[in-house]
Amino acid sequence: DGGITQSPKYLFRKEGQNVTLSCEQNLNHDAMYWYRQDPGQGLRLIYYSQIVNDFQKGDIAEGYSVSREKKESFPLTVTSAQKNPTAFYLCASSTSGRRDTQYFGPGTRLTVL
Amino acid sequence: AQSVTQLGSHVSVSEGALVLLRCNYSSSVPPYLFWYVQYPNQGLQLLLKYTSAATLVKGINGFEAEFKKSETSFHLTKPSAHMSDAAEYFCAVSEINAGNMLTFGGGTRLMVKP
Repeated sequence: DGGITQSPKYLFRKEGQNVTLSCEQNLNHDAMYWYRQDPGQGLRLIYYSQIVNDFQKGDIAEGYSVSREKKESFPLTVTSAQKNPTAFYLCASSTSGRRDTQYFGPGTRLTVL
Repeated sequence: AQSVTQLGSHVSVSEGALVLLRCNYSSSVPPYLFWYVQYPNQGLQLLLKYTSAATLVKGINGFEAEFKKSETSFHLTKPSAHMSDAAEYFCAVSEINAGNMLTFGGGTRLMVKP
Protein backbone atom coordinates (compact mmCIF):
# COMPACT_ATOMS: atom_id res chain seq x y z
CA ASP A 1 0.00 0.00 0.00
CA GLY A 2 1.23 3.49 -0.85
CA GLY A 3 1.11 6.07 1.88
CA ILE A 4 2.79 8.10 4.57
CA THR A 5 3.84 6.69 7.92
CA GLN A 6 4.72 8.66 11.01
CA SER A 7 6.26 7.28 14.17
CA PRO A 8 5.80 7.19 17.02
CA LYS A 9 2.09 7.95 17.36
CA TYR A 10 2.57 9.29 20.89
CA LEU A 11 5.78 10.77 22.26
CA PHE A 12 6.60 12.09 25.69
CA ARG A 13 9.59 14.29 26.34
CA LYS A 14 11.14 15.92 29.33
CA GLU A 15 11.95 19.59 29.13
CA GLY A 16 15.41 20.22 27.72
CA GLN A 17 15.49 17.09 25.55
CA ASN A 18 15.63 16.96 21.78
CA VAL A 19 13.30 14.50 20.07
CA THR A 20 13.05 13.33 16.47
CA LEU A 21 9.79 12.53 14.72
CA SER A 22 9.90 10.16 11.80
CA CYS A 23 8.09 10.62 8.46
CA GLU A 24 8.37 8.15 5.58
CA GLN A 25 6.50 8.05 2.28
CA ASN A 26 6.42 5.49 -0.53
CA LEU A 27 4.39 7.60 -2.95
CA ASN A 28 7.48 8.71 -4.89
CA HIS A 29 6.63 12.33 -4.09
CA ASP A 30 9.27 15.01 -4.47
CA ALA A 31 7.84 17.43 -1.90
CA MET A 32 7.41 16.83 1.82
CA TYR A 33 6.09 19.08 4.60
CA TRP A 34 5.84 19.31 8.37
CA TYR A 35 2.91 21.02 10.08
CA ARG A 36 2.10 21.75 13.66
CA GLN A 37 -1.53 21.64 14.82
CA ASP A 38 -2.80 23.35 17.96
CA PRO A 39 -6.47 23.51 18.99
CA GLY A 40 -8.33 26.30 17.19
CA GLN A 41 -5.32 27.37 15.11
CA GLY A 42 -5.50 25.11 12.11
CA LEU A 43 -2.22 23.85 10.70
CA ARG A 44 0.94 25.91 10.57
CA LEU A 45 3.87 25.09 8.32
CA ILE A 46 7.17 24.34 10.07
CA TYR A 47 9.46 23.23 7.22
CA TYR A 48 9.11 21.97 3.70
CA SER A 49 11.34 20.29 1.15
CA GLN A 50 10.78 20.20 -2.58
CA ILE A 51 13.79 18.08 -3.43
CA VAL A 52 16.38 15.89 -1.74
CA ASN A 53 19.10 17.76 0.14
CA ASP A 54 17.13 21.00 0.11
CA PHE A 55 14.56 22.43 2.52
CA GLN A 56 13.07 25.78 3.49
CA LYS A 57 11.69 27.29 6.66
CA GLY A 58 7.97 27.70 6.99
CA ASP A 59 6.07 30.12 9.20
CA ILE A 60 7.15 28.68 12.57
CA ALA A 61 10.59 27.09 12.08
CA GLU A 62 12.21 28.41 15.26
CA GLY A 63 13.18 25.57 17.58
CA TYR A 64 12.88 22.90 14.88
CA SER A 65 15.30 21.30 12.45
CA VAL A 66 14.94 18.87 9.53
CA SER A 67 16.98 16.87 7.06
CA ARG A 68 16.18 15.41 3.65
CA GLU A 69 18.88 12.90 2.79
CA LYS A 70 16.52 10.51 1.01
CA LYS A 71 13.48 11.17 -1.15
CA GLU A 72 11.22 9.02 1.02
CA SER A 73 12.26 10.38 4.42
CA PHE A 74 11.88 13.78 6.11
CA PRO A 75 12.55 13.59 9.87
CA LEU A 76 11.75 16.51 12.16
CA THR A 77 13.76 17.28 15.29
CA VAL A 78 12.11 19.29 18.02
CA THR A 79 14.93 20.94 19.93
CA SER A 80 15.08 22.23 23.47
CA ALA A 81 14.92 25.74 21.99
CA GLN A 82 11.25 25.22 21.08
CA LYS A 83 9.42 26.98 23.91
CA ASN A 84 6.07 25.25 23.66
CA PRO A 85 6.50 21.96 21.82
CA THR A 86 3.39 20.14 23.05
CA ALA A 87 1.26 19.73 19.92
CA PHE A 88 0.08 17.36 17.19
CA TYR A 89 2.60 17.12 14.34
CA LEU A 90 1.55 16.19 10.83
CA CYS A 91 3.73 15.23 7.91
CA ALA A 92 2.54 15.51 4.31
CA SER A 93 3.85 14.88 0.83
CA SER A 94 2.90 15.83 -2.72
CA THR A 95 4.12 16.04 -6.25
CA SER A 96 5.46 19.45 -7.19
CA GLY A 97 2.55 21.09 -9.05
CA ARG A 98 0.56 23.89 -7.41
CA ARG A 99 -2.76 22.16 -7.91
CA ASP A 100 -1.49 18.86 -6.58
CA THR A 101 -2.94 17.38 -3.44
CA GLN A 102 -0.95 17.11 -0.25
CA TYR A 103 -1.37 13.70 1.37
CA PHE A 104 -1.08 13.50 5.13
CA GLY A 105 0.30 10.96 7.55
CA PRO A 106 -1.54 9.91 10.73
CA GLY A 107 0.36 12.34 12.96
CA THR A 108 2.49 12.24 16.10
CA ARG A 109 1.24 13.71 19.36
CA LEU A 110 4.13 15.16 21.35
CA THR A 111 3.71 15.95 25.02
CA VAL A 112 6.36 17.69 27.09
CA LEU A 113 6.29 16.64 30.73
CA ALA B 1 0.23 36.54 2.16
CA GLN B 2 -3.04 34.82 1.58
CA SER B 3 -5.41 34.14 4.43
CA VAL B 4 -8.31 31.77 4.96
CA THR B 5 -11.24 32.39 7.28
CA GLN B 6 -13.61 29.69 8.40
CA LEU B 7 -16.64 31.25 9.99
CA GLY B 8 -17.73 29.26 13.02
CA SER B 9 -15.27 27.11 14.92
CA HIS B 10 -18.13 24.78 15.90
CA VAL B 11 -21.21 23.88 13.90
CA SER B 12 -23.98 21.60 15.16
CA VAL B 13 -26.64 20.03 12.95
CA SER B 14 -29.22 17.29 13.35
CA GLU B 15 -28.84 14.04 11.48
CA GLY B 16 -30.47 14.44 8.07
CA ALA B 17 -30.15 18.23 8.05
CA LEU B 18 -28.17 20.36 5.60
CA VAL B 19 -24.49 20.84 6.39
CA LEU B 20 -22.99 24.23 5.48
CA LEU B 21 -19.40 25.05 6.44
CA ARG B 22 -18.13 28.45 5.39
CA CYS B 23 -14.75 29.38 3.94
CA ASN B 24 -13.58 32.75 2.66
CA TYR B 25 -10.15 33.54 1.30
CA SER B 26 -8.20 36.68 0.55
CA SER B 27 -6.49 36.77 -2.80
CA SER B 28 -6.39 39.11 -5.78
CA VAL B 29 -5.96 36.14 -8.10
CA PRO B 30 -8.25 33.09 -7.94
CA PRO B 31 -6.29 30.47 -6.03
CA TYR B 32 -6.58 26.73 -5.84
CA LEU B 33 -8.81 25.69 -2.94
CA PHE B 34 -9.08 22.52 -0.90
CA TRP B 35 -11.31 21.04 1.78
CA TYR B 36 -9.87 18.42 4.12
CA VAL B 37 -11.53 16.37 6.87
CA GLN B 38 -9.85 15.19 10.07
CA TYR B 39 -11.21 12.54 12.41
CA PRO B 40 -9.96 12.53 16.02
CA ASN B 41 -6.25 11.81 16.39
CA GLN B 42 -5.83 11.17 12.68
CA GLY B 43 -4.27 12.90 9.71
CA LEU B 44 -6.13 14.96 7.13
CA GLN B 45 -8.03 13.42 4.23
CA LEU B 46 -8.86 15.33 1.06
CA LEU B 47 -12.60 15.86 0.52
CA LEU B 48 -12.41 17.91 -2.67
CA LYS B 49 -10.42 20.57 -4.49
CA TYR B 50 -11.01 23.44 -6.92
CA THR B 51 -8.38 23.95 -9.60
CA SER B 52 -10.07 26.44 -12.00
CA ALA B 53 -12.25 23.98 -13.86
CA ALA B 54 -15.94 23.70 -12.89
CA THR B 55 -16.96 26.06 -10.09
CA LEU B 56 -19.12 23.40 -8.45
CA VAL B 57 -16.86 20.66 -7.17
CA LYS B 58 -18.09 17.29 -5.98
CA GLY B 59 -16.10 15.35 -3.45
CA ILE B 60 -16.23 12.19 -1.42
CA ASN B 61 -18.92 11.20 1.07
CA GLY B 62 -21.59 13.34 -0.66
CA PHE B 63 -19.88 16.69 -0.03
CA GLU B 64 -19.62 19.46 -2.58
CA ALA B 65 -18.34 23.02 -2.66
CA GLU B 66 -18.94 25.99 -4.92
CA PHE B 67 -16.26 28.49 -5.84
CA LYS B 68 -17.66 32.03 -5.97
CA LYS B 69 -15.08 34.50 -7.15
CA SER B 70 -17.26 37.57 -6.49
CA GLU B 71 -17.66 36.54 -2.87
CA THR B 72 -14.14 35.04 -2.47
CA SER B 73 -15.84 32.02 -0.97
CA PHE B 74 -15.63 28.25 -1.17
CA HIS B 75 -18.33 26.96 1.16
CA LEU B 76 -18.72 23.22 1.78
CA THR B 77 -22.18 21.63 1.76
CA LYS B 78 -23.85 18.28 2.14
CA PRO B 79 -27.63 17.88 1.72
CA SER B 80 -28.14 15.41 4.55
CA ALA B 81 -25.83 14.99 7.54
CA HIS B 82 -24.88 11.57 8.81
CA MET B 83 -23.50 10.73 12.24
CA SER B 84 -20.25 9.64 10.59
CA ASP B 85 -19.73 13.21 9.27
CA ALA B 86 -18.82 14.40 12.77
CA ALA B 87 -15.22 15.57 12.41
CA GLU B 88 -13.10 18.69 11.96
CA TYR B 89 -13.04 20.30 8.55
CA PHE B 90 -10.29 22.50 7.16
CA CYS B 91 -10.33 24.82 4.18
CA ALA B 92 -6.96 25.52 2.55
CA VAL B 93 -5.60 27.77 -0.19
CA SER B 94 -2.64 27.08 -2.41
CA GLU B 95 -0.15 29.92 -2.20
CA ILE B 96 0.55 31.79 -5.40
CA ASN B 97 4.20 31.91 -6.51
CA ALA B 98 5.16 29.60 -3.65
CA GLY B 99 5.10 26.15 -5.17
CA ASN B 100 2.54 23.93 -3.54
CA MET B 101 2.32 25.68 -0.17
CA LEU B 102 -1.01 25.56 1.60
CA THR B 103 -2.48 28.12 3.96
CA PHE B 104 -5.10 26.61 6.25
CA GLY B 105 -8.13 28.09 7.96
CA GLY B 106 -8.62 27.56 11.65
CA GLY B 107 -10.96 24.63 11.17
CA THR B 108 -14.64 23.97 11.91
CA ARG B 109 -15.71 21.17 14.17
CA LEU B 110 -18.94 19.61 12.93
CA MET B 111 -21.19 17.92 15.47
CA VAL B 112 -24.13 15.80 14.35
CA LYS B 113 -27.02 15.26 16.74
CA PRO B 114 -29.19 12.15 16.50
